[in-house]
Amino acid sequence: LAKTTQPISMDSYEGQEVNITCSHNNIATNDYITWYQQFPSQGPRFIIQGYKTKVTNEVASLFIPADRKSSTLSLPRVSLSDTAVYYCLVGVQSGGYQKVTFGTGTKLQVIP
Amino acid sequence: NAGVTQTPKFQVLKTGQSMTLQCAQDMNHNSMYWYRQDPGMGLRLIYYSASEGTTDKGEVPNGYNVSRLNKREFSLRLESAAPSQTSVYFCASSHSGGDGYEQYFGPGTRLTVT
Repeated sequence: LAKTTQPISMDSYEGQEVNITCSHNNIATNDYITWYQQFPSQGPRFIIQGYKTKVTNEVASLFIPADRKSSTLSLPRVSLSDTAVYYCLVGVQSGGYQKVTFGTGTKLQVIP
Repeated sequence: NAGVTQTPKFQVLKTGQSMTLQCAQDMNHNSMYWYRQDPGMGLRLIYYSASEGTTDKGEVPNGYNVSRLNKREFSLRLESAAPSQTSVYFCASSHSGGDGYEQYFGPGTRLTVT
């Protein structure tokens, strides 16, 4: 399983754009990159997923360079409700199950 | 749709007691998972079930057993609880097949073993 490295914590002011970078140097050809968000006392929630280049949805963008050894989750104009832990996962679906590893994540604190 | 549901929400056990954590999903997913999350840590996979009738060990299976009762339900059993099993337990499910994936998580069961 590909190991991921991301900052332990980040602070941001409300209204700013936040970029969280994840390093995954040993990503395999078939691996996808997925980001989850977790609020205290809740299960993780899927944010976005990509394989290469750029993916955008209604809540975030995911930038993946050509070598795919890192990825950046971009949250536009964060609000206090975006305070959460963000996990970067790299893995593949194999044999009907998704082989991924959750690291310790990045704790984002949004400041008013 | 309720998504993924877990029971109970909270449980306190004495060392050596047994219990079963229940999980059900109504999304017709093939794959189901059990994770544990210790304070300040990420999630660690205990067991998973790729499809109905199959189960396999994850990263930390010792002290646990699972049953995939049917496509909807996946239970986790602690035969003889230990304080080291104090944790929050999350069940998840996902569709299998196709490109990429997304896991849907339940609200968790907070277990304390004294």
